[in-house]
Amino acid sequence: AQRVTQPEKLLSVFKGAPVELKCNYSYSGSPELFWYVQYSRQRLQLLLRHISRESIKGFTADLNKGETSFHLKKPFAQEEDSAMYYCALIRGSTLGRLYFGRGTQLTVWP
Amino acid sequence: DAGVIQSPRHEVTEMGQEVTLRCKPISGHNSLFWYRQTMMRGLELLIYFNNNVPIDDSGMPEDRFSAKMPNASFSTLKIQPSEPRDSAVYFCASSQGGAAFFGQGTRLTVV
Repeated sequence: AQRVTQPEKLLSVFKGAPVELKCNYSYSGSPELFWYVQYSRQRLQLLLRHISRESIKGFTADLNKGETSFHLKKPFAQEEDSAMYYCALIRGSTLGRLYFGRGTQLTVWP
Repeated sequence: DAGVIQSPRHEVTEMGQEVTLRCKPISGHNSLFWYRQTMMRGLELLIYFNNNVPIDDSGMPEDRFSAKMPNASFSTLKIQPSEPRDSAVYFCASSQGGAAFFGQGTRLTVV
């Protein structure tokens, strides 16, 4: 079975500090991995996908197949980064069904 | 494209009443998902469709919940009768098999 684990329910950092939101997955095949962000009372928005290897709003995430991780990182957190972050996985044959982690609430203090 | 469109944005109803939530997916997307979000349980997948056919409805909590997708541009999620514990934000999302794009959600309150 596939599973996405986000070990931290809450994470707080000060503005300008580095931030890392952890995501581990269990899946024997080759998954597609994503990060979604949800600002207060808004829709989930796609932030990153591992196949793009892009940087959005200063965030990056690298897929580490050896450690089965897809941690989200930003070197200098901003107050506007405060939000709920979800890691998600798609298996190869599930027509795009996303398996979500429980989410990490990030708070960036001024 | 305007993205995934859900209506209504907010719904307040009395226990026992029927509630119908609506979703218009992004044009060209062939998969549609209904999620429920609560503080206690987080994001839960209720049901998803591919090419208008229900693929997995194992997340539908009870027979009180039903979902339909009569065509590629419209889906409904119905709760009949509604109960206070159904209060949540219900999200619809669509995809072409890759990343899913979410609607703004319907905030349902059952009193």
